[in-house]
Formats: sequence, C-alpha cells, structure tokens
Amino acid sequence: KNQVEQSPQSLIILEGKNCTLQCNYTVSPFSNLRWYKQDTGRGPVSLTIMTFSENTKSNGRYTATLDADTKQSSLHITASQLSDSASYICVVSAQAGTALIFGKGTTLSVSS
Amino acid sequence: NAGVTQTPKFRVLKTGQSMTLLCAQDMNHEYMYWYRQDPGMGLRLIHYSVGEGTTAKGEVPDGYNVSRLKKQNFLLGLESAAPSQTSVYFCATRRLNNEQFFGPGTRLTVL
Repeated sequence: KNQVEQSPQSLIILEGKNCTLQCNYTVSPFSNLRWYKQDTGRGPVSLTIMTFSENTKSNGRYTATLDADTKQSSLHITASQLSDSASYICVVSAQAGTALIFGKGTTLSVSS
Repeated sequence: NAGVTQTPKFRVLKTGQSMTLLCAQDMNHEYMYWYRQDPGMGLRLIHYSVGEGTTAKGEVPDGYNVSRLKKQNFLLGLESAAPSQTSVYFCATRRLNNEQFFGPGTRLTVL
C-alpha cells in the first residue's frame, strides 16, 4: 500500500535554531516528492520538488534531501524564524498516475 | 492573476441542509481536486477532475458530488450535510510536473 509517514508529528524550537523534519514513503513506482508549507488558516504552498535522480535541493533556508534507495526524505530548516511556524507536508507522486500521496504533516512552532 | 479562489470562506449548516462550494482557477490547468483536512488526518482526496466534463472519486467521496462543466470551475456539493462533514475544504489545481496550487480553503461547520 502506498503510504507517506512523517516525523515528528510536532516540534517546538527556539528562534535561530536549526531543525530537520523526516518523511518516509513506500510509494512505488516513484515519480517525485514535494515538500509543502501550510501556514495556519491557509492552503499549502510548494517549497521544493525532488525527483529520483536528485539528492539535495535548496530553497533559501530550506534544504530538502532524498535517498531513493531507503525511500526517505528530510527537510532541514536553518536559522529558524518565527515565520517558519507552520505545518510541513510531504507529498509523493506515483509514476504516470494522478495519485498524490500525502503525509499527515509535521507542525513546527518557532518561539522567541 | 488570482490563482485558485474558493467561495465561500466560511459556512455554518444545519444537519440535512445542502450547499455548493465553488472553486475557480485562472491558470488553465486541466487537473482540479477537492480535499478535506481534519485534525490529525492530513489532507484527504474527495473527488478530482482531469478535464472539463470529467470527474472521478477519490479516497473519501461518500456524501459529496462534484461537477466540472467549465474548465475553470470545479464545484463540490453536499446534498444532505452531516456533522461528520465538518471540516476545512481545499480546492487545488495541478501542473504537468505535479505541483499543486491550493486555494485558501472553506471552513464548514455542520451542526
């Protein structure tokens, strides 16, 4: 069964600290993996996309990694800011299909 | 460009009432989706459409109907609302590279 598991479920960090969010998937055949950021009361917005051949991709202070062999991805946030407080959702696309498999998200709270 | 818009933003219904949620997009995307989001459950697909005049069931379609009469609009209907349908509903479109663009959401409460 195609599944996406995210950990931790929630995380609290101090402003300025780094953190890493995890995403494990069992989707096969794999097409790509996206990380979305969802601010409270708003729709998710795409942060990065990882395809099978990519190991690392950065978007400002956000760096996503992908290990297609172990079917794991991580999202690393550097020098966190209060505006990083949000839910981060991992979404995996199966190859040649319309199905997008969503993780349940990690809720990040950055405090001052 | 407005992107993806949803109306209404909020709605309170009584059990048994009906309503229609409207999603509109100006990005000319073929694929459109309706999701519901509940605490601890993540986003769950209700129905989707791969083009004008076509619709298909998702993961949790029961109690909902949809229509895609025009490419830019995707309607979600609740014929007889139930408290279990209290949720936040998101519409989304999709590019060919699978990037989805979400609307701002509709918060629905069924009493």
